[in-house]
Amino acid sequence: KAGVTQTPRYLIKTRGQQVTLSCSPISGHRSVSWYQQTPGQGLQFLFEYFSETQRNKGNFPGRFSGRQFSNSRSEMNVSTLELGDSALYLCASSLDGNQETQYFGPGTRLLVL
Amino acid sequence: ELKVEQNPLFLSMQEGKNYTIYCNYSTTSDRLYWYRQDPGKSLESLFVLLSNGAVKQEGRLMASLDTKARLSTLHITAAVHDLSATYFCAVSSMEYGNKLVFGAGTILRVKS
Repeated sequence: KAGVTQTPRYLIKTRGQQVTLSCSPISGHRSVSWYQQTPGQGLQFLFEYFSETQRNKGNFPGRFSGRQFSNSRSEMNVSTLELGDSALYLCASSLDGNQETQYFGPGTRLLVL
Repeated sequence: ELKVEQNPLFLSMQEGKNYTIYCNYSTTSDRLYWYRQDPGKSLESLFVLLSNGAVKQEGRLMASLDTKARLSTLHITAAVHDLSATYFCAVSSMEYGNKLVFGAGTILRVKS
């Protein structure tokens, strides 16, 4: 079974721009969660989507948003990029989001200049 | 608020030695997870612990859970260089949905 895939793998943007990251979950998985990983703050939960609905949200500003499509693929968008948004963005999928193990994708490394 | 503390944050050990990584969490948790991350790579699931007294073993790694003490341990037996990585514990709670709250991670370096 193919794992979680994320595109693109690397991105360089400048302050003020916006970016969209994509995540395809493991086939059959309906829950997709997003995490941000930085050296200073570690791994932090952004949000979770299930059946095209945002089910849970972390403590991030409204510039961070996401959505999920009917095939469970998910995108997250960051608008008005700031230098502090430079991070590894990880997507994780699980079957139904009932606290089963979450399987992580390879991540998208975003650098904001 | 659910908080997770790991220690030590950095561990340098010789091959063949044993050591333990500790993970404390602040409130009632339903599940405790251990993940491994190699440099520049994603997170690989190692263990999920569901109940008090749960113990799981895979190769040289053994994880246990004490829900009364709100403590999980990851024990490394006879370390080998291939175990060098960063290890994270994470907890989830019904109260917080499917959100994982991670510890800061333990960087493990096994020296030959």
